[in-house]
Parts: sequence; structure tokens; C-alpha cells
Amino acid sequence: DTGVSQDPRHKITKRGQNVTFRCDPISEHNRLYWYRQTLGQGPEFLTYFQNEAQLEKSRLLSDRFSAERPKGSFSTLEIQRTEQGDSAMYLCASSSGDRPNYYEQYFGPGTRLTVT
Amino acid sequence: AQSVTQLGSHVSVSEGALVLLRCNYSSSVPPYLFWYVQYPNQGLQLLLKYTTGATLVKGINGFEAEFKKSETSFHLTKPSAHMSDAAEYFCAVIDTGGFKTIFGAGTRLFVKA
Repeated sequence: DTGVSQDPRHKITKRGQNVTFRCDPISEHNRLYWYRQTLGQGPEFLTYFQNEAQLEKSRLLSDRFSAERPKGSFSTLEIQRTEQGDSAMYLCASSSGDRPNYYEQYFGPGTRLTVT
Repeated sequence: AQSVTQLGSHVSVSEGALVLLRCNYSSSVPPYLFWYVQYPNQGLQLLLKYTTGATLVKGINGFEAEFKKSETSFHLTKPSAHMSDAAEYFCAVIDTGGFKTIFGAGTRLFVKA
């Protein structure tokens, strides 16, 4: 297994358009996380899945954002009606569900979104 | 609520010199602490972690960190900097729920030849 993968790596879109990002976690990991990182800042938690269940959503995740993990494998993050403030790096991470390793999150390379 | 403070947004060292990146945390429960490294336009790579047990933890690329409960610190060190160490470093703590990682703002390390 080559680790967490994300697609696309870069996305440029015009304000008001919808975008969708995909994350493929490490295959045996049942926990999946989305984070957002703006320039000069650390990543901020957005949401978390255990298998297909979305168990936690940050207040950062406005109604324009939706995330799914339909079969407990890959996940998608959709942003509707994008705004310039959505420009950021979107990071996906996964971890094992087994103690103690579920604290150890493995990150993908990220999707950099630029909204013009 | 947990939080992480990294002292110094930028640190510059000469090649071969000691690297010291500072991190202080706030946690109401015994913390699980991490250091991650991020190279430009890449995701985060785990350098090392402290969960329980030995307070001095060794990681990849010659880095180590010491958990000091009395000082609520988890500073990252490397005896001799290499040019390839130039990157952004993030200290992080797992929240009490055990799933969300809370990151510091990061410290960019510059290594001079």
C-alpha cells in the first residue's frame, strides 16, 4: 500500500462553482479525517469518519461543505458555491481503528484549491 | 480544551548546528503528542509521537523530543542540522475525544550552508 492518496492535487475554480475532492485512505484504516490548511497556519480539523459514519463535524464546515464516505473506503469532500475564502490546502488523513495506533494519523499530499 | 503553542514561527540554524523547535501544550488529560514535518506542497509526515512510557522519544531523520509534564512542553531537537531538514514543523496534540488532531501554527526551519 502506498499510503493516503488525494485527487486532484490542484484545483483552480471560479467563485460560485462547485468542486469535489477525493481521498483514498490506507486500505486497512477505518478512520478517515479531513483538515483544511491555510497559508502560514497549521491544519484545522473539518470532519471525521469511522467506517461510513460521519461522527464529528467542525463548525468550520459550513452548509456549503459536505463529506461522504459511502462504503467506508474512499471519501469525497464537496464544496458548493465556492468563495475566495475557501482557497486552502485540503488534507485527508487516515488511521487504524485499533488501539493504540488509532491516534497515529497518516496524511495524504493534499488538494490545493484556488478560488478566483 | 487542548491547545498547542509553537514558539517562533521561523527558526534559522547553520548546517551542523543544533536544531531546537519549541512546543508547549495545554491539556486537561494526559496528552498524546506528535511532531509532523511538511515539505513544500506536500502533506504531513509523522516525525515522532509520545503516548505513554519513556518521555524521551526518538523519531525519524535523527529527531527526538522530550515530554516534560511539569513544563507542559514537548520540544523537538536534532543534534546536527542538515540542509534537507529545511521544512515546516508542526507540533500537535490529540483531543480528549481521541480522534481530532489539534495543530500548532507551525515553525519554519531554515538551514544555512
